[in-house]
Amino acid sequence: GAVVSQHPSWVICKSGTSVKIECRSLDFQATTMFWYRQFPKQSLMLMATSNEGSKATYEQGVEKDKFLINHASLTLSTLTVTSAHPEDSSFYICSARGRQAPTYEQYFGPGTRLTVT
Amino acid sequence: AQKVTQAQTEISVVEKEDVTLDCVYETRDTTYYLFWYKQPPSGELVFLIRRNSFDEQNEISGRYSWNFQKSTSSFNFTITASQVVDSAVYFCALSDPFYGQNFVFGPGTRLSVLP
Repeated sequence: GAVVSQHPSWVICKSGTSVKIECRSLDFQATTMFWYRQFPKQSLMLMATSNEGSKATYEQGVEKDKFLINHASLTLSTLTVTSAHPEDSSFYICSARGRQAPTYEQYFGPGTRLTVT
Repeated sequence: AQKVTQAQTEISVVEKEDVTLDCVYETRDTTYYLFWYKQPPSGELVFLIRRNSFDEQNEISGRYSWNFQKSTSSFNFTITASQVVDSAVYFCALSDPFYGQNFVFGPGTRLSVLP
């Protein structure tokens, strides 16, 4: 149990376009979802935290107008990278946390590799 | 503030050697959780272990073992008789009791196991 999926697993887009990444909790309700970014050979850095039905909380240095997060339901959160640029190329990983044990900890998705040309 | 340090950036060993990956953490919380994750080239994080701060017993799972020492704020990970399939980046992470706020990853250690 406690499976988190992401779609797409990889995406290539042109500079200036927007791209949406989906994160789904498949077998539990996720009250909170987290978005991380990982640049090559670096660690995961938390970008934002979103609670179902409320606005996301962004970490310092993350542009909320550029990285739009929507957590519209208890099983789905989306990250939209608007007006993407090559420097946004990265590996994006989401995680989801349930309401109560045993899903109260974070479960990570498989990641989405974004390449902006 | 929470912080996790993995001093070893890269380690190379020959197959069948034992290898220990170091992890040192900082936190002001009295209750916290420590984790180890494996990230193979595919990128997907593989959960290895979660340890509560109140449980200082060492744990062994097959070829993997973990040594948690609160006195030195360390949570080291040992792979016995390493195999090529163990080649990956390993992350140590620290979380508060609520698993969400202040979930911090270390910088990772890239392990290469050579045949």
